[in-house]
Amino acid sequence: ETGVTQTPRHLVMGMTNKKSLKCEQHLGHNAMYWYKQSAKKPLELMFVYSLEERVENNSVPSRFSPECPNSSHLFLHLHTLQPEDSALYLCASSQDTQGWAGELFFGEGSRLTVL
Amino acid sequence: KQEVTQIPAALSVPEGENLVLNCSFTDSAIYNLQWFRQDPGKGLTSLLLIQSSQREQTSGRLNASLDKSSGRSTLYIAASQPGDSATYLCAVSRYGGATNKLIFGTGTLLAVQP
Repeated sequence: ETGVTQTPRHLVMGMTNKKSLKCEQHLGHNAMYWYKQSAKKPLELMFVYSLEERVENNSVPSRFSPECPNSSHLFLHLHTLQPEDSALYLCASSQDTQGWAGELFFGEGSRLTVL
Repeated sequence: KQEVTQIPAALSVPEGENLVLNCSFTDSAIYNLQWFRQDPGKGLTSLLLIQSSQREQTSGRLNASLDKSSGRSTLYIAASQPGDSATYLCAVSRYGGATNKLIFGTGTLLAVQP
């Protein structure tokens, strides 16, 4: 399989549940990202990992917890979410060298609904 | 703070027409600019990437230009087809750091009528 793969594609959870979103990239890239897309708002950058090290956390609430065990896998652990967290969560990857940002490739997204 | 604006928010054209989508950004210090396409309920597909040192990029019927000094980019679609119907997103990379942190516009929803 090639590209960026996200699972599950759809997730419905209650506010007290714990769930995880998974992202896998088969492109040999060295950076991975989580973006949130809410209705009628621009995509928002949540987390950035470069070489498995978190390099950015854009003031995201602690109920979202990322994990990057290796350069090919990225997780977003979800705990006690709120209904306003319902959105499309997109994973992306890129091959970056110092001072030269690479093209971003996105997965199909995980549609999350919080009841 | 970098802000990206896309005009128009929605556009409907008859099949075969040439069209231009606009993107403007407030801070000219960018690494690159990327145009994406998003179909309903789907992820983003990269269309074109323009590095800050470049003026334009072409792929098939698509041509994207970049005027960094004025903070503008355009996406030109020639001979539009119903299959081009989608939301088109413009994003600029934030300058600095080792990774590509894109700042997105809200997109232009394009409908090409057969």
